[in-house]
Amino acid sequence: GDSVTQMEGPVTLSEEAFLTINCTYTATGYPSLFWYVQYPGEGLQLLLKATKADDKGSNKGFEATYRKETTSFHLEKGSVQVSDSAVYFCALLTGANNLFFGTGTRLTVIP
Amino acid sequence: EAGVAQSPRYKIIEKRQSVAFWCNPISGHATLYWYQQILGQGPKLLIQFQNNGVVDDSQLPKDRFSAERLKGVDSTLKIQPAKLEDSAVYLCASVAAGGSQETQYFGPGTRLLVL
Repeated sequence: GDSVTQMEGPVTLSEEAFLTINCTYTATGYPSLFWYVQYPGEGLQLLLKATKADDKGSNKGFEATYRKETTSFHLEKGSVQVSDSAVYFCALLTGANNLFFGTGTRLTVIP
Repeated sequence: EAGVAQSPRYKIIEKRQSVAFWCNPISGHATLYWYQQILGQGPKLLIQFQNNGVVDDSQLPKDRFSAERLKGVDSTLKIQPAKLEDSAVYLCASVAAGGSQETQYFGPGTRLLVL
Protein backbone atom coordinates (compact mmCIF):
# COMPACT_ATOMS: atom_id res chain seq x y z
CA GLY A 1 0.00 0.00 0.00
CA ASP A 2 0.93 3.66 -0.05
CA SER A 3 3.34 4.74 2.64
CA VAL A 4 6.06 7.17 3.62
CA THR A 5 9.29 6.25 5.36
CA GLN A 6 11.04 9.06 7.10
CA MET A 7 14.44 9.42 8.70
CA GLU A 8 14.23 8.79 12.40
CA GLY A 9 15.26 11.48 14.79
CA PRO A 10 15.87 13.33 16.81
CA VAL A 11 18.33 15.45 14.87
CA THR A 12 20.45 18.00 16.70
CA LEU A 13 22.47 20.54 14.74
CA SER A 14 24.42 23.66 15.46
CA GLU A 15 23.21 26.92 13.99
CA GLU A 16 24.26 27.42 10.35
CA ALA A 17 24.79 23.69 9.81
CA PHE A 18 23.47 21.90 6.73
CA LEU A 19 20.27 19.92 7.18
CA THR A 20 19.06 16.83 5.38
CA ILE A 21 16.03 14.83 6.46
CA ASN A 22 15.48 11.76 4.31
CA CYS A 23 12.07 10.69 3.05
CA THR A 24 11.19 7.85 0.71
CA TYR A 25 7.78 6.76 -0.42
CA THR A 26 5.85 3.83 -1.81
CA ALA A 27 2.83 4.60 -3.93
CA THR A 28 0.92 3.43 -6.93
CA GLY A 29 0.48 6.03 -9.59
CA TYR A 30 1.90 9.51 -9.24
CA PRO A 31 1.38 11.01 -5.81
CA SER A 32 1.98 14.58 -4.76
CA LEU A 33 4.61 14.97 -2.04
CA PHE A 34 4.79 17.40 0.86
CA TRP A 35 6.74 18.47 3.87
CA TYR A 36 4.81 19.74 6.88
CA VAL A 37 6.29 21.42 9.93
CA GLN A 38 5.03 21.57 13.49
CA TYR A 39 6.59 24.28 15.63
CA PRO A 40 6.39 23.90 19.41
CA GLY A 41 2.86 24.56 20.65
CA GLU A 42 1.48 25.10 17.15
CA GLY A 43 -0.51 23.08 14.64
CA LEU A 44 0.91 21.34 11.60
CA GLN A 45 1.44 23.59 8.61
CA LEU A 46 2.43 22.96 5.03
CA LEU A 47 6.09 23.84 4.42
CA LEU A 48 6.51 22.94 0.75
CA LYS A 49 5.20 20.65 -1.93
CA ALA A 50 5.95 19.05 -5.30
CA THR A 51 3.29 17.59 -7.53
CA LYS A 52 5.29 15.78 -10.22
CA ALA A 53 8.65 14.19 -10.88
CA ASP A 54 11.66 16.54 -10.88
CA ASP A 55 9.64 19.35 -9.32
CA LYS A 56 11.45 21.22 -6.57
CA GLY A 57 9.44 22.63 -3.71
CA SER A 58 10.96 25.45 -1.70
CA ASN A 59 10.00 27.72 1.17
CA LYS A 60 11.81 29.57 3.98
CA GLY A 61 15.17 28.35 2.69
CA PHE A 62 14.07 24.71 2.69
CA GLU A 63 14.07 22.66 -0.51
CA ALA A 64 13.00 19.19 -1.58
CA THR A 65 13.11 17.60 -5.03
CA TYR A 66 10.64 14.94 -6.18
CA ARG A 67 12.85 12.07 -7.38
CA LYS A 68 10.79 9.40 -9.07
CA GLU A 69 13.78 7.18 -9.87
CA THR A 70 14.71 6.89 -6.20
CA THR A 71 11.16 7.45 -4.85
CA SER A 72 12.54 10.12 -2.56
CA PHE A 73 11.72 13.63 -1.38
CA HIS A 74 14.55 14.60 0.95
CA LEU A 75 14.30 17.90 2.81
CA GLU A 76 17.37 20.16 2.80
CA LYS A 77 18.41 23.52 4.13
CA GLY A 78 21.82 25.03 3.70
CA SER A 79 22.04 26.91 7.00
CA VAL A 80 19.63 26.16 9.82
CA GLN A 81 18.59 28.62 12.48
CA VAL A 82 17.42 28.13 16.03
CA SER A 83 13.93 29.11 14.86
CA ASP A 84 13.86 26.03 12.59
CA SER A 85 13.61 23.78 15.63
CA ALA A 86 10.41 21.80 15.07
CA VAL A 87 9.05 18.44 14.02
CA TYR A 88 9.06 17.81 10.28
CA PHE A 89 6.65 15.41 8.56
CA CYS A 90 6.94 14.04 5.06
CA ALA A 91 3.59 13.20 3.44
CA LEU A 92 2.09 12.00 0.19
CA LEU A 93 -1.30 12.54 -1.39
CA THR A 94 -2.56 9.67 -3.48
CA GLY A 95 -4.77 9.86 -6.52
CA ALA A 96 -7.63 8.76 -4.28
CA ASN A 97 -7.07 11.93 -2.27
CA ASN A 98 -5.70 10.16 0.80
CA LEU A 99 -2.96 11.95 2.73
CA PHE A 100 -0.33 9.69 4.35
CA PHE A 101 2.18 11.08 6.83
CA GLY A 102 5.59 9.83 7.88
CA THR A 103 6.46 9.41 11.54
CA GLY A 104 8.04 12.84 11.89
CA THR A 105 11.61 13.97 12.60
CA ARG A 106 12.34 16.27 15.52
CA LEU A 107 14.99 18.87 14.73
CA THR A 108 16.72 20.84 17.45
CA VAL A 109 19.09 23.63 16.45
CA ILE A 110 21.44 24.86 19.13
CA PRO A 111 23.10 28.29 19.09
CA GLU B 1 -8.24 35.20 10.31
CA ALA B 2 -8.79 32.94 13.31
CA GLY B 3 -7.33 29.45 13.02
CA VAL B 4 -8.83 26.07 13.76
CA ALA B 5 -9.84 25.90 17.40
CA GLN B 6 -9.88 22.74 19.46
CA SER B 7 -10.83 22.00 23.02
CA PRO B 8 -9.91 20.79 25.47
CA ARG B 9 -6.16 20.95 24.91
CA TYR B 10 -5.46 18.17 27.36
CA LYS B 11 -7.57 15.40 28.82
CA ILE B 12 -6.78 12.58 31.21
CA ILE B 13 -9.32 9.80 31.71
CA GLU B 14 -9.40 6.23 32.93
CA LYS B 15 -9.99 3.35 30.56
CA ARG B 16 -13.61 2.56 29.86
CA GLN B 17 -14.60 6.18 30.44
CA SER B 18 -16.03 8.36 27.69
CA VAL B 19 -14.51 11.51 26.27
CA ALA B 20 -15.47 14.10 23.66
CA PHE B 21 -13.38 16.56 21.69
CA TRP B 22 -14.60 19.69 19.98
CA CYS B 23 -13.37 21.41 16.84
CA ASN B 24 -14.31 24.75 15.34
CA PRO B 25 -12.85 25.05 11.83
CA ILE B 26 -11.93 28.23 10.06
CA SER B 27 -15.05 30.15 9.09
CA GLY B 28 -16.34 29.09 5.70
CA HIS B 29 -14.25 25.94 5.43
CA ALA B 30 -16.43 23.19 4.04
CA THR B 31 -14.14 20.21 4.59
CA LEU B 32 -13.16 19.05 8.06
CA TYR B 33 -10.83 16.22 9.08
CA TRP B 34 -10.10 14.42 12.32
CA TYR B 35 -6.71 12.75 12.72
CA GLN B 36 -5.21 10.57 15.42
CA GLN B 37 -1.51 11.05 16.09
CA ILE B 38 0.01 8.44 18.37
CA LEU B 39 3.33 9.35 19.97
CA GLY B 40 6.18 8.75 17.54
CA GLN B 41 3.89 8.38 14.53
CA GLY B 42 2.47 10.65 11.90
CA PRO B 43 -1.17 11.71 11.88
CA LYS B 44 -3.63 9.10 10.68
CA LEU B 45 -6.94 10.15 9.16
CA LEU B 46 -9.98 9.07 11.17
CA ILE B 47 -12.82 10.80 9.35
CA GLN B 48 -13.46 13.44 6.70
CA PHE B 49 -16.58 15.61 6.49
CA GLN B 50 -17.79 17.70 3.58
CA ASN B 51 -20.20 20.19 5.13
CA ASN B 52 -22.33 17.96 7.36
CA GLY B 53 -21.84 14.76 5.38
CA VAL B 54 -19.24 12.04 5.90
CA VAL B 55 -16.89 11.59 2.94
CA ASP B 56 -14.54 8.98 4.39
CA ASP B 57 -14.73 7.17 7.71
CA SER B 58 -13.01 3.96 6.65
CA GLN B 59 -10.28 4.33 9.31
CA LEU B 60 -12.63 5.21 12.17
CA PRO B 61 -13.00 2.41 14.77
CA LYS B 62 -16.75 2.62 14.76
CA ASP B 63 -17.25 0.28 17.68
CA ARG B 64 -15.98 3.00 20.01
CA PHE B 65 -15.41 6.18 18.01
CA SER B 66 -18.09 8.47 16.64
CA ALA B 67 -18.05 11.90 15.09
CA GLU B 68 -20.61 14.38 13.93
CA ARG B 69 -20.84 17.73 12.25
CA LEU B 70 -24.55 18.38 12.45
CA LYS B 71 -24.70 21.92 11.10
CA GLY B 72 -21.69 21.68 8.85
CA VAL B 73 -19.58 23.92 11.08
CA ASP B 74 -18.36 22.64 14.47
CA SER B 75 -17.57 18.99 14.93
CA THR B 76 -17.27 16.66 17.88
CA LEU B 77 -15.33 13.41 18.12
CA LYS B 78 -16.30 10.96 20.85
CA ILE B 79 -14.66 7.87 22.24
CA GLN B 80 -16.83 5.50 24.26
CA PRO B 81 -15.43 3.53 26.00
CA ALA B 82 -11.78 4.57 25.85
CA LYS B 83 -8.90 2.10 25.78
CA LEU B 84 -5.28 2.58 26.77
CA GLU B 85 -4.22 2.53 23.11
CA ASP B 86 -6.41 5.58 22.42
CA SER B 87 -3.80 7.76 24.13
CA ALA B 88 -2.78 10.16 21.38
CA VAL B 89 -3.13 13.68 20.07
CA TYR B 90 -6.36 14.24 18.17
CA LEU B 91 -5.98 16.79 15.42
CA CYS B 92 -8.69 18.64 13.60
CA ALA B 93 -8.05 20.28 10.23
CA SER B 94 -10.13 22.17 7.69
CA VAL B 95 -9.93 23.19 4.05
CA ALA B 96 -11.78 25.92 2.22
CA ALA B 97 -14.36 24.97 -0.38
CA GLY B 98 -12.54 24.11 -3.58
CA GLY B 99 -9.23 23.93 -1.78
CA SER B 100 -6.88 21.01 -2.12
CA GLN B 101 -6.32 18.60 0.73
CA GLU B 102 -2.67 19.45 1.28
CA THR B 103 -3.53 23.05 2.14
CA GLN B 104 -5.58 22.05 5.16
CA TYR B 105 -5.17 24.15 8.29
CA PHE B 106 -4.52 22.18 11.45
CA GLY B 107 -5.64 22.99 14.95
CA PRO B 108 -3.30 22.66 17.94
CA GLY B 109 -4.75 19.27 18.86
CA THR B 110 -6.17 17.67 21.98
CA ARG B 111 -3.75 15.48 23.88
CA LEU B 112 -5.54 12.50 25.43
CA LEU B 113 -4.05 10.25 28.06
CA VAL B 114 -5.96 7.11 29.00
CA LEU B 115 -4.88 5.51 32.29
